[in-house]
Amino acid sequence: GAGVSQSPSNKVTEKGKDVELRCDPISGHTALYWYRQSLGQGLEFLIYFQGNSAPDKSGLPSDRFSAERTGGSVSTLTIQRTQQEDSAVYLCASSGTSGSGELFFGEGSRLTVL
Amino acid sequence: GIQVEQSPPDLILQEGANSTLRCNFSDSVNNLQWFHQNPWGQLINLFYIPSGTKQNGRLSATTVATERYSLLYISSSQTTDSGVYFCAPRAGSGYALNFGKGTSLLVTP
Repeated sequence: GAGVSQSPSNKVTEKGKDVELRCDPISGHTALYWYRQSLGQGLEFLIYFQGNSAPDKSGLPSDRFSAERTGGSVSTLTIQRTQQEDSAVYLCASSGTSGSGELFFGEGSRLTVL
Repeated sequence: GIQVEQSPPDLILQEGANSTLRCNFSDSVNNLQWFHQNPWGQLINLFYIPSGTKQNGRLSATTVATERYSLLYISSSQTTDSGVYFCAPRAGSGYALNFGKGTSLLVTP
């Protein structure tokens, strides 16, 4: 596609439920990133993929968070047993190279945990 | 990890005024981007500028990597410039962009 596509754009869930967020990067981009933005805050790095592998997952806040990427394209971020503090906008970005390439962001998935 | 400080944290301008936003960072970088987050939350790429100077219309940016800072200049500001401006460098040893807390800009008519 022309840009980074994320779904759903909005998700409301109850505490304790699992959620999946999807990211479809720009076609041909090998690097993919997940970030989280809480209300009024900057962006917090979660995980980086190069192809299907994740050389840096240092930002995942707990073992309730996991992510995978298949076919070097689509990525899914899964949050198990959601908590209220997980409420945030989850942003995905992609880049054409693994080094110093420019990142392009999607519009994000807004997660609200009641 | 790399520390990023942006100043000022908040800025109010009257339409037509000029401004300079500053970003200091604590480590050598191989990438630095400036973004504008509009009131709808969308992150818009302004500049990819690990070093040197670039201009795009009323906006320009300069990064002096050896002194570990970057500047974003906004001239003849417009109300549509309102939003949050983020600086995001990537350390030479890292993979991810590291975001500052941003400068919140409000341009009034």
